[in-house]
Amino acid sequence: EPEVTQTPSHQVTQMGQEVILRCVPISNHLYFYWYRQILGQKVEFLVSFYNNEISEKSEIFDDQFSVERPDGSNFTLKIRSTKLEDSAMYFCASRTSGRSKNIQYFGAGTRLSVL
Amino acid sequence: GQSLEQPSEVTAVEGAIVQINCTYQTSGFYGLSWYQQHDGGAPTFLSYNALDGLEETGRFSSFLSRSDSYGYLLLQELQMKDSASYFCAVRDDNYGQNFVFGPGTRLSVLP
Repeated sequence: EPEVTQTPSHQVTQMGQEVILRCVPISNHLYFYWYRQILGQKVEFLVSFYNNEISEKSEIFDDQFSVERPDGSNFTLKIRSTKLEDSAMYFCASRTSGRSKNIQYFGAGTRLSVL
Repeated sequence: GQSLEQPSEVTAVEGAIVQINCTYQTSGFYGLSWYQQHDGGAPTFLSYNALDGLEETGRFSSFLSRSDSYGYLLLQELQMKDSASYFCAVRDDNYGQNFVFGPGTRLSVLP
């Protein structure tokens, strides 16, 4: 069964450093998402991406965050200057259109630890 | 604004039936989804309702009442492996592709 893959599974970084989280969505999907989940809390929407541009972004997604689809398969989230409060699990998700348009498929996540 | 409410915890025994409620307040509504998340795992899609009524998928069913801005997930014949967090999520069509998740309900299934 096709799946969303995320790398790395765990990223440790120093405060102020840049990190890039990588995702490979399911190949025929058109809509891509990044979510954040702080330990023990709910899943929070960060950004959605369609047709090579951002569709929506939340208040969390400030100027420190950016997304890119550098080629036909990868979808990346960059945090320019990490803060302690950026420590969380980051999930990538993708979905298609048509009959399955309301089903999001999530990757296993990247645990980001900012020290 | 957008907000969803769920009970924080539910406990039940193996073989029982449990209902997890979700109420929502969103400016638009395009459907209610349910996701399961085991500790340390990714959310996994369970069910989706766009119209009022009950959707059944094996041991899991989901119900929606749009007039009440309310839905629930019903889990039957509970098994130990059902112990997980369950999130409802609304796609708010006033926000395009955005899905808003509820706070999650932690289900503990006891032997």
